[in-house]
Amino acid sequence: ILNVEQSPQSLHVQEGDSTNFTCSFPSSNFYALHWYRWETAKSPEALFVMTLNGDEKKKGRISATLNTKEGYSYLYIKGSQPEDSATYLCAFETNNFNKFYFGSGTKLNVKP
Amino acid sequence: NAGVTQTPKFRILKIGQSMTLQCAQDMNHNYMYWYRQDPGMGLKLIYYSVGAGITDKGEVPNGYNVSRSTTEDFPLRLELAAPSQTSVYFCASSYSGGRDYEQYFGPGTRLTVT
Repeated sequence: ILNVEQSPQSLHVQEGDSTNFTCSFPSSNFYALHWYRWETAKSPEALFVMTLNGDEKKKGRISATLNTKEGYSYLYIKGSQPEDSATYLCAFETNNFNKFYFGSGTKLNVKP
Repeated sequence: NAGVTQTPKFRILKIGQSMTLQCAQDMNHNYMYWYRQDPGMGLKLIYYSVGAGITDKGEVPNGYNVSRSTTEDFPLRLELAAPSQTSVYFCASSYSGGRDYEQYFGPGTRLTVT
Protein backbone atom coordinates (compact mmCIF):
# COMPACT_ATOMS: atom_id res chain seq x y z
CA ILE A 1 0.00 0.00 0.00
CA LEU A 2 1.33 3.38 -1.02
CA ASN A 3 1.21 6.43 1.25
CA VAL A 4 0.09 9.73 -0.20
CA GLU A 5 -0.11 12.45 2.40
CA GLN A 6 -1.61 15.89 2.19
CA SER A 7 -1.16 18.77 4.58
CA PRO A 8 -2.71 20.60 6.16
CA GLN A 9 -5.91 18.61 6.68
CA SER A 10 -7.95 21.81 6.71
CA LEU A 11 -7.37 25.50 6.21
CA HIS A 12 -9.43 28.58 6.98
CA VAL A 13 -8.39 31.78 5.21
CA GLN A 14 -9.87 35.20 4.56
CA GLU A 15 -10.94 36.29 1.11
CA GLY A 16 -7.93 37.72 -0.68
CA ASP A 17 -5.35 35.62 1.17
CA SER A 18 -2.99 33.47 -0.82
CA THR A 19 -2.51 29.92 0.35
CA ASN A 20 -0.73 26.69 -0.48
CA PHE A 21 -0.99 23.00 0.33
CA THR A 22 1.38 20.06 0.09
CA CYS A 23 1.06 16.59 -1.36
CA SER A 24 3.79 14.05 -0.49
CA PHE A 25 4.17 10.82 -2.40
CA PRO A 26 6.72 8.04 -2.96
CA SER A 27 9.59 9.00 -5.24
CA SER A 28 9.69 5.56 -6.89
CA ASN A 29 7.33 4.09 -9.51
CA PHE A 30 6.16 7.59 -10.44
CA TYR A 31 3.99 8.00 -13.51
CA ALA A 32 1.89 11.11 -12.87
CA LEU A 33 0.55 13.33 -10.11
CA HIS A 34 -3.02 14.58 -10.30
CA TRP A 35 -4.74 17.42 -8.49
CA TYR A 36 -8.53 17.52 -8.11
CA ARG A 37 -10.99 20.02 -6.74
CA TRP A 38 -13.93 18.51 -4.89
CA GLU A 39 -16.88 20.63 -3.87
CA THR A 40 -19.35 19.32 -1.31
CA ALA A 41 -22.11 17.17 -2.84
CA LYS A 42 -20.35 17.11 -6.21
CA SER A 43 -17.83 14.86 -7.93
CA PRO A 44 -14.08 15.52 -8.00
CA GLU A 45 -12.99 17.64 -10.95
CA ALA A 46 -9.52 17.43 -12.42
CA LEU A 47 -7.31 20.51 -12.02
CA PHE A 48 -3.89 19.37 -13.20
CA VAL A 49 -2.03 16.31 -14.41
CA MET A 50 1.71 16.64 -13.85
CA THR A 51 4.25 14.22 -15.21
CA LEU A 52 7.76 15.75 -15.32
CA ASN A 53 10.04 16.77 -12.50
CA GLY A 54 10.00 20.56 -12.30
CA ASP A 55 6.60 20.81 -13.99
CA GLU A 56 4.60 23.93 -13.22
CA LYS A 57 0.98 24.22 -14.24
CA LYS A 58 -1.40 27.16 -13.94
CA LYS A 59 -5.13 27.65 -14.31
CA GLY A 60 -6.31 31.14 -13.44
CA ARG A 61 -5.35 31.87 -9.83
CA ILE A 62 -4.40 28.25 -9.12
CA SER A 63 -0.97 26.83 -9.86
CA ALA A 64 0.97 23.70 -8.97
CA THR A 65 4.57 22.56 -8.92
CA LEU A 66 6.06 19.08 -8.96
CA ASN A 67 9.26 17.59 -7.52
CA THR A 68 9.41 13.89 -8.34
CA LYS A 69 12.93 13.37 -6.94
CA GLU A 70 11.90 14.33 -3.42
CA GLY A 71 8.27 13.28 -3.82
CA TYR A 72 6.18 16.38 -3.30
CA SER A 73 3.85 18.75 -5.09
CA TYR A 74 2.56 22.15 -4.01
CA LEU A 75 -0.78 23.67 -4.95
CA TYR A 76 -1.02 27.46 -4.69
CA ILE A 77 -4.12 29.65 -4.74
CA LYS A 78 -3.51 33.36 -5.19
CA GLY A 79 -6.07 35.79 -3.79
CA SER A 80 -8.50 33.15 -2.47
CA GLN A 81 -12.20 33.69 -3.15
CA PRO A 82 -15.18 32.11 -1.33
CA GLU A 83 -15.88 30.03 -4.44
CA ASP A 84 -12.47 28.39 -3.97
CA SER A 85 -13.85 26.68 -0.86
CA ALA A 86 -13.57 22.95 -1.55
CA THR A 87 -11.48 19.92 -0.74
CA TYR A 88 -8.33 19.65 -2.83
CA LEU A 89 -7.20 16.10 -3.51
CA CYS A 90 -3.96 14.85 -4.95
CA ALA A 91 -3.51 11.41 -6.48
CA PHE A 92 -0.30 9.55 -7.22
CA GLU A 93 -0.44 7.40 -10.32
CA THR A 94 2.04 4.53 -10.47
CA ASN A 95 3.90 3.25 -13.49
CA ASN A 96 2.71 -0.19 -12.39
CA PHE A 97 -0.58 -0.70 -14.23
CA ASN A 98 -1.56 2.94 -13.70
CA LYS A 99 -3.03 2.51 -10.25
CA PHE A 100 -4.16 5.64 -8.44
CA TYR A 101 -3.51 6.38 -4.78
CA PHE A 102 -5.31 9.38 -3.34
CA GLY A 103 -4.41 11.56 -0.39
CA SER A 104 -7.12 12.38 2.15
CA GLY A 105 -7.38 15.95 0.90
CA THR A 106 -7.00 19.49 2.20
CA LYS A 107 -10.31 21.14 3.02
CA LEU A 108 -10.16 24.87 2.26
CA ASN A 109 -12.69 27.32 3.65
CA VAL A 110 -12.47 30.90 2.38
CA LYS A 111 -14.38 33.42 4.48
CA PRO A 112 -15.80 36.51 2.76
CA ASN B 1 -22.50 13.65 -23.71
CA ALA B 2 -23.86 12.47 -20.37
CA GLY B 3 -20.31 11.78 -19.14
CA VAL B 4 -20.10 9.22 -16.33
CA THR B 5 -23.43 8.14 -14.89
CA GLN B 6 -24.04 6.06 -11.79
CA THR B 7 -27.17 4.40 -10.45
CA PRO B 8 -28.63 4.32 -7.90
CA LYS B 9 -27.81 7.58 -6.09
CA PHE B 10 -28.72 6.18 -2.69
CA ARG B 11 -29.33 2.71 -1.35
CA ILE B 12 -29.87 1.07 2.01
CA LEU B 13 -29.00 -2.61 2.24
CA LYS B 14 -29.45 -5.12 5.00
CA ILE B 15 -26.44 -7.16 6.11
CA GLY B 16 -26.01 -10.16 3.81
CA GLN B 17 -27.92 -8.70 0.87
CA SER B 18 -26.33 -8.29 -2.54
CA MET B 19 -26.53 -5.51 -5.08
CA THR B 20 -24.93 -4.14 -8.20
CA LEU B 21 -23.84 -0.53 -8.56
CA GLN B 22 -24.10 0.56 -12.17
CA CYS B 23 -21.62 2.79 -13.96
CA ALA B 24 -21.70 3.86 -17.58
CA GLN B 25 -19.73 6.35 -19.67
CA ASP B 26 -20.37 7.61 -23.19
CA MET B 27 -16.96 9.14 -23.88
CA ASN B 28 -15.41 6.00 -25.39
CA HIS B 29 -12.92 5.85 -22.54
CA ASN B 30 -10.78 2.73 -22.20
CA TYR B 31 -9.97 3.03 -18.51
CA MET B 32 -12.62 2.80 -15.81
CA TYR B 33 -12.26 2.81 -12.04
CA TRP B 34 -14.28 2.19 -8.90
CA TYR B 35 -13.43 4.07 -5.70
CA ARG B 36 -14.91 4.25 -2.26
CA GLN B 37 -14.73 7.27 -0.01
CA ASP B 38 -15.04 6.85 3.73
CA PRO B 39 -15.58 9.80 6.11
CA GLY B 40 -12.41 11.83 6.60
CA MET B 41 -10.51 9.68 4.14
CA GLY B 42 -9.50 10.09 0.55
CA LEU B 43 -10.58 7.83 -2.25
CA LYS B 44 -9.53 4.19 -2.18
CA LEU B 45 -9.32 2.24 -5.44
CA ILE B 46 -11.46 -0.91 -5.39
CA TYR B 47 -11.12 -2.25 -8.95
CA TYR B 48 -10.15 -0.87 -12.30
CA SER B 49 -10.31 -1.87 -15.94
CA VAL B 50 -8.09 -0.93 -18.85
CA GLY B 51 -10.52 -2.16 -21.48
CA ALA B 52 -13.43 -4.49 -22.17
CA GLY B 53 -12.72 -7.93 -20.75
CA ILE B 54 -9.79 -6.75 -18.58
CA THR B 55 -10.13 -5.97 -14.89
CA ASP B 56 -7.74 -5.87 -11.96
CA LYS B 57 -7.80 -5.35 -8.21
CA GLY B 58 -7.07 -2.05 -6.59
CA GLU B 59 -6.23 -1.28 -2.99
CA VAL B 60 -9.43 -2.54 -1.30
CA PRO B 61 -11.06 -5.24 -3.50
CA ASN B 62 -12.32 -7.63 -0.80
CA GLY B 63 -16.09 -8.07 -0.80
CA TYR B 64 -16.52 -6.74 -4.34
CA ASN B 65 -16.55 -8.05 -7.88
CA VAL B 66 -16.53 -6.35 -11.25
CA SER B 67 -16.98 -7.18 -14.89
CA ARG B 68 -16.35 -5.22 -18.07
CA SER B 69 -18.18 -6.79 -20.98
CA THR B 70 -18.46 -3.52 -22.95
CA THR B 71 -16.40 -0.33 -23.19
CA GLU B 72 -19.30 1.69 -21.80
CA ASP B 73 -20.29 -0.25 -18.67
CA PHE B 74 -18.40 -1.19 -15.52
CA PRO B 75 -20.75 -2.56 -12.83
CA LEU B 76 -19.59 -3.19 -9.26
CA ARG B 77 -21.12 -6.13 -7.45
CA LEU B 78 -21.39 -6.39 -3.67
CA GLU B 79 -21.97 -9.89 -2.42
CA LEU B 80 -23.05 -10.42 1.20
CA ALA B 81 -23.08 -6.75 2.18
CA ALA B 82 -21.39 -5.87 5.47
CA PRO B 83 -21.55 -2.65 7.57
CA SER B 84 -17.90 -2.00 6.64
CA GLN B 85 -19.09 -1.43 3.06
CA THR B 86 -21.10 1.62 4.10
CA SER B 87 -19.49 4.32 2.00
CA VAL B 88 -19.86 6.62 -0.97
CA TYR B 89 -18.85 4.90 -4.19
CA PHE B 90 -17.48 6.79 -7.16
CA CYS B 91 -16.95 5.50 -10.65
CA ALA B 92 -14.45 7.27 -12.92
CA SER B 93 -13.16 6.91 -16.45
CA SER B 94 -10.32 8.22 -18.56
CA TYR B 95 -9.25 7.86 -22.15
CA SER B 96 -5.98 6.24 -21.24
CA GLY B 97 -3.80 5.59 -18.22
CA GLY B 98 -3.90 9.07 -16.74
CA ARG B 99 -0.79 10.75 -18.13
CA ASP B 100 -2.15 13.86 -19.88
CA TYR B 101 -5.63 12.42 -19.53
CA GLU B 102 -8.03 13.50 -16.83
CA GLN B 103 -10.23 11.15 -14.87
CA TYR B 104 -13.90 12.04 -15.08
CA PHE B 105 -15.96 11.10 -12.05
CA GLY B 106 -19.59 10.11 -11.75
CA PRO B 107 -21.91 11.69 -9.17
CA GLY B 108 -21.47 8.88 -6.64
CA THR B 109 -23.69 6.29 -4.96
CA ARG B 110 -24.24 6.59 -1.23
CA LEU B 111 -24.63 3.11 0.26
CA THR B 112 -25.64 2.29 3.83
CA VAL B 113 -25.50 -1.27 5.13
CA THR B 114 -27.42 -1.86 8.36
